[in-house]
Amino acid sequence: GAGVSQSPSNKVTEKGKDVELRCDPISGHTALYWYRQSLGQGLEFLIYFQGNSAPDKSGLPSDRFSAERTGGSVSTLTIQRTQQEDSAVYLCASSLDLAGIGSGANVLTFGAGSRLTVL
Amino acid sequence: GESVGLHLPTLSVQEGDNSIINCAYSNSASDYFIWYKQESGKGPQFIIDIRSNMDKRQGQRVTVLLNKTVKHLSLQIAATQPGDSAVYFCAENSGNTGKLIFGQGTTLQVKP
Repeated sequence: GAGVSQSPSNKVTEKGKDVELRCDPISGHTALYWYRQSLGQGLEFLIYFQGNSAPDKSGLPSDRFSAERTGGSVSTLTIQRTQQEDSAVYLCASSLDLAGIGSGANVLTFGAGSRLTVL
Repeated sequence: GESVGLHLPTLSVQEGDNSIINCAYSNSASDYFIWYKQESGKGPQFIIDIRSNMDKRQGQRVTVLLNKTVKHLSLQIAATQPGDSAVYFCAENSGNTGKLIFGQGTTLQVKP
């Protein structure tokens, strides 16, 4: 697609339920990232995928969070047993290439985000 | 630990004036810096980037300055317009990884 597409745009769930958030990156982008943005805060790195390499999961806040990327394209972020503190906007981004950092090809293009509200 | 922070949470400027948004970073190994603009309800949008081997880079109405001695980054917007109203984030990258570390953001308000 022309941009990074995320769904759902809004999700309200009850505490304890599982949620899945989907990200469809820009076609041809090999790297995909998930960030979390709490209200009025900066972006908190969660995880990123680059090609066939093992994902960098160092930002996942707990084992309730997991993500996968199938076929090197679409990614799903899953939050199990949601808690109220999980409420945030979850942003996905993709980029063309990690090599040659700073060349412009490593610029992240963000989606509009999925707003999660846990009641 | 690594951190990127912005000095002021809100900056209010008059339309037509120049804006300067500041950012401090703590990781001296960071070699790539980016400014993003985020409008309400949207994802961050790339504005300009700079590598650590440069101290200045100019774009259209925007200039990024990097002072590695004091680990300071700034974004200058010339002739600020109402459409520039947004939250501005600086971000740093250390080494050839995809992990961008973002600051808390500065809200720019442009008064007509």
